[in-house]
Amino acid sequence: AIQMTQSPSSLSASVGDRVSITCRTSQGIGNDLGWYQQKPGRAPKFLIYGASNLQRGVPSRFSGSRSGTDFTLTISSLQPEDVASYYCLQDYNYPWTFGQGTKVEIK
Amino acid sequence: EVTLVESGGDLVQPGGSLRLSCAASGFIFSDYWMNWVRQAPGKGLEWVANIKQDGSEKYYVDSVKGRFTISRDNARNSLYLQMDSLRAEDTAVYFCAARSGGGGAFDIWGQGTMVTVSS
Repeated sequence: AIQMTQSPSSLSASVGDRVSITCRTSQGIGNDLGWYQQKPGRAPKFLIYGASNLQRGVPSRFSGSRSGTDFTLTISSLQPEDVASYYCLQDYNYPWTFGQGTKVEIK
Repeated sequence: EVTLVESGGDLVQPGGSLRLSCAASGFIFSDYWMNWVRQAPGKGLEWVANIKQDGSEKYYVDSVKGRFTISRDNARNSLYLQMDSLRAEDTAVYFCAARSGGGGAFDIWGQGTMVTVSS
């Protein structure tokens, strides 16, 4: 199975800060990776697909990028409503796997 | 409005069975691969199983193979998960999710249904 190493597990930043979350895969998966936001008690919300494509309706402060087997979700200017957990997902190989999650808080 | 609504979650004893349902509306259900994803209390997300648009292909995470069965009824716009030989570690919120294409794109999610396995 493809291992997903997501980091950091948590972060605290100020409103307006630029924050980045990384998922490293144990083997190449092309661009078969998506990013999800989950607020407590809610279903995940789909943010980015194909490593870097923004889903319709998602604010442009969210972006995704890939360098080899490293995938990064960036929030260019952190807002209070971005407080949530974030997960990456690979659907390149079965079993599909999520990263361990990153909890984002406001400092 | 595009929705997925799960039902069937309950408290069940170890070794018991449960059938989850997911009702779709507002989109063409038969166009989508459908998935079950679960989340144990306080833990992260885990992909559980999926099924192709016509039901001809099904895939499972190793921990549920031989115990869980995914199925769908396109005429009823419904997805199911038959869960047998349940274990304490199956305790989780179970979400259904629709995937329109590759690239990690689970476009549509339900609100989840809670399954608790305990004596």
